[in-house]
Amino acid sequence: GNSVTQMEGPVTLSEEAFLTINCTYTATGYPSLFWYVQYPGEGLQLLLKATKADDKGSNKGFEATYRKETTSFHLEKGSVQVSDSAVYFCALYSQGAGSYQLTFGKGTKLSVIP
Amino acid sequence: GAGVSQSPSNKVTEKGKDVELRCDPISGHTALYWYRQSLGQGLEFLIYFQGNSAPDKSGLPSDRFSAERTGGSVSTLTIQRTQQEDSAVYLCASSSQGAPTEAFFGQGTRLTVV
Repeated sequence: GNSVTQMEGPVTLSEEAFLTINCTYTATGYPSLFWYVQYPGEGLQLLLKATKADDKGSNKGFEATYRKETTSFHLEKGSVQVSDSAVYFCALYSQGAGSYQLTFGKGTKLSVIP
Repeated sequence: GAGVSQSPSNKVTEKGKDVELRCDPISGHTALYWYRQSLGQGLEFLIYFQGNSAPDKSGLPSDRFSAERTGGSVSTLTIQRTQQEDSAVYLCASSSQGAPTEAFFGQGTRLTVV
């Protein structure tokens, strides 16, 4: 079956620090990969996505590259801000017989301190 | 509407009572999904609707859980004879296509069973 493993949190960084949140996956077929973000008190939002190998998804200064050879989709940002404090979820979608579900990791809570 | 709307935002119920959770998807979105987010866990898929039919209900944890969708729009998730382990945040998402490659999530209903 499909599964997503992402680094355990919480992660605490100082403002302007470099961020990496690791994500690896197992999937049948050829999945699409996503990062979702959940800001405090808000719903889950799509942050970025990649649909094929070597694609790079990017948004709001965040980037993640679809690495098929290492089955990874690590999230990076060069300089985090306090406003980036949120829970980040790695997810995949792999179309199988009758399956339309996103498979999520457990989430990584990021806190950025001034 | 402008986004996915869920109601109520919070629900406290006594063990053994039935509850209904409502989801109003983005207008025109044919696909609708229910997920459950338990403390410390990732998002767990429950059910997927395409129009009014549910081709994938594989994530419903027991026969106490059911869901319906009417008019290709509003969906209701019903939990009968609630148990304490049902306490979680129930999230609804919708997308314009069958594949959840651009799913938009509501803010969720926080259910607490006491």
